[in-house]
Amino acid sequence: QVQLQESGPGLVKPSQTLSLTCTVSGGSISSGDYYWSWIRQPPGKGLEWIGYIYYSGSTYYNPSLKSRVTISVDTSKNQFSLKLSSVTAADTAVYYCARVGDPKVFDYWGQGTLVTVSS
Amino acid sequence: NFMLTQPHSVSESPGKTVTISCTGSSGSIASNYVQWYQQRPGSAPTTVIYEDNQRPSGVPDRFSGSIDSSSNSASLTISGLKTEDEADYYCQSYDSSNYVVFGGGTKLTVL
Repeated sequence: QVQLQESGPGLVKPSQTLSLTCTVSGGSISSGDYYWSWIRQPPGKGLEWIGYIYYSGSTYYNPSLKSRVTISVDTSKNQFSLKLSSVTAADTAVYYCARVGDPKVFDYWGQGTLVTVSS
Repeated sequence: NFMLTQPHSVSESPGKTVTISCTGSSGSIASNYVQWYQQRPGSAPTTVIYEDNQRPSGVPDRFSGSIDSSSNSASLTISGLKTEDEADYYCQSYDSSNYVVFGGGTKLTVL
């Protein structure tokens, strides 16, 4: 059974960089059959796709966030990570990591982690 | 930019049937598969329909999905409503550039 677990600071100051890591267990990121994605959900609002990465390092980012987002992968640790720069209060959200099968089915999700942007 | 539009909320009584729509903003919604996710409060989303009309194992056959090309929309239909179906439902698809899009979500109330 594949499991994903987000980790990282729950509080980030405005203008700083938000950094999260997703650790995958029960399956290998390097298997090549899946993309690995980040999604966020502001309190009381809907889901927003941030981007995803293939084990080879190929990335796709939401155009609305592209200038501030970097997703990377560490196959040796079976982890992938998110960095979101120049954060504001509008970036306060629950951040989920997920596995994405073909065709773009988000089949396994982490439990989510709340990140609050506040001074 | 490709967008998916859902009604903000729907409500229906237990035992009845409800349909949630998801309308594409441009192009043909039939060009790429549509998925549907259920999200209960405080939990991560789970897949209830994938590839327009396929149910993952464990999802009851009360859940069904369809595509209507004439209205450029996808639909999630839940029959024999149960109180446990009360949740938020999101449609999701992608465009020709492999960018993923989620609908805004529909809150289903079973009363």
